[in-house]
Amino acid sequence: SQQGEEDPQALSIQEGENATMNCSYKTSINNLQWYRQNSGRGLVHLILIRSNEREKHSGRLRVTLDTSKKSSSLLITASRAADTASYFCATGPGNQFYFGTGTSLTVIP
Amino acid sequence: DAGVIQSPRHEVTEMGQEVTLRCKPISGHDYLFWYRQTMMRGLELLIYFNNNVPIDDSGMPEDRFSAKMPNASFSTLKIQPSEPRDSAVYFCASSLGRHSNQPQHFGDGTRLSIL
Repeated sequence: SQQGEEDPQALSIQEGENATMNCSYKTSINNLQWYRQNSGRGLVHLILIRSNEREKHSGRLRVTLDTSKKSSSLLITASRAADTASYFCATGPGNQFYFGTGTSLTVIP
Repeated sequence: DAGVIQSPRHEVTEMGQEVTLRCKPISGHDYLFWYRQTMMRGLELLIYFNNNVPIDDSGMPEDRFSAKMPNASFSTLKIQPSEPRDSAVYFCASSLGRHSNQPQHFGDGTRLSIL
């Protein structure tokens, strides 16, 4: 499979703490994207990082990419209850595009 | 922008019945994707279209599944006959460009239950 694999599968933290989730993939890529899925809703695009970038920020989100290790991480700082959702990485070689298995994040108020 | 619109939101039907899921992509987007999401298999790409033409249907599980895109603003995914193992959430997504550097915009899905 060319899919990304997220780690951990589930994460539970207190509001205000930081949440870190990781994504590993198997092949060379051009870009990697992160998505969020709230319960009962579709996926929402969060951020895209290109293969020549090492780090990218968007609000409370920080994404890193290590192409030598074929891995990416998503950090959510100062988490809120509203951040409770599943988070997916998506990437693939060339024009192929696959979603990972997701990390389920629970932020406890 | 109204976003990707899917209907129905929920569908419950008996095994053997025909099921038709509908999708209206975001205006101007030239790619449309159909996905299926289950706990066991995660998010699977079933088929995608470019400018209304099916490009890759290798993810369609069986001949019971078919998808059409008669125009740029409408697509259907049909299952005939339906089986209990088809129960899942089906998502439609659209994007401006297929390449991995384009975000996909998802509808809220159709939750399908086959009894």
